[in-house]
Amino acid sequence: DAGVIQSPRHEVTEMGQEVTLRCKPISGHDYLFWYRQTMMRGLELLIYFNNNVPIDDSGMPEDRFSAKMPNASFSTLKIQPSEPRDSAVYFCASSFSQSYTGELFFGEGSRLTVL
Amino acid sequence: AQSVTQLGSHVSVSEGALVLLRCNYSSSVPPYLFWYVQYPNQGLQLLLKYTSAATLVKGINGFEAEFKKSETSFHLTKPSAHMSDAAEYFCAVSVGYSGGSNYKLTFGKGTLLTVNP
Repeated sequence: DAGVIQSPRHEVTEMGQEVTLRCKPISGHDYLFWYRQTMMRGLELLIYFNNNVPIDDSGMPEDRFSAKMPNASFSTLKIQPSEPRDSAVYFCASSFSQSYTGELFFGEGSRLTVL
Repeated sequence: AQSVTQLGSHVSVSEGALVLLRCNYSSSVPPYLFWYVQYPNQGLQLLLKYTSAATLVKGINGFEAEFKKSETSFHLTKPSAHMSDAAEYFCAVSVGYSGGSNYKLTFGKGTLLTVNP
C-alpha cells in the first residue's frame, strides 16, 4: 500500500522566493497534519485538516505560511515569501478516524533550505 | 489537555546493553500512547502503541513498552541494543477521536539514542 507521499524531498531556494510543499495522504484517511521539525524547536504541529477542512491552524508561524486541502487526496503548504529561518524539515501525516486511536502515518518529509 | 515528557534528550548505550527510554504522560482521560522512531533523514514510523488492550506492548525490532497507570509512565525498553537501533525516539499521547473534531497527537521532544560498539 502506498504511504503518505510528499514532494519535493529537498528544496533549496533563496530568501524571498515562494515555496510550495505537496502532500498526498493515504487513501481513505480523513485527517491530515503538517508538522515542522528543527533542531531548536523539535517537532511542531502547524495545522491539521479533517475532511479537507482546516481545524486548527494555531501552529502556523505567521501570515507567510498558508495551507490548503482542495480535495481528500492532496494538500499544499505554501511559504511566501520564504526566509532563512523557515529552513526545516516539513512532514505531512495522515490518520483515519475510524481507527479511533489517532495513530499517525508520516511521509518522508520535505527538507527546505532557504539561503 | 494531554502532554508527554521524555526524560533525557540523549541516551548512550553499548551494543548488547539494555535500552531504556523514559516517557511520562499527563491526560485527563484514558490515553492512547505511542512510540515512534525516526532514523536519520527519514520520517517517523510507528514502533508500538498502547490502546488499552494489554499493558505490556510489543513492537517492531524487539522493543516493548509497559503502560503503568499508577506511575503515568510508558517507558520503552529493549533487552539488547543493536547498532541499527541508533535513532531518535518520540513518545506521543492522544485521547483518540472521542474528543470530536478537536483531535491531535501530542509528541514529546524526543530522545536521541546512540549505540556504541
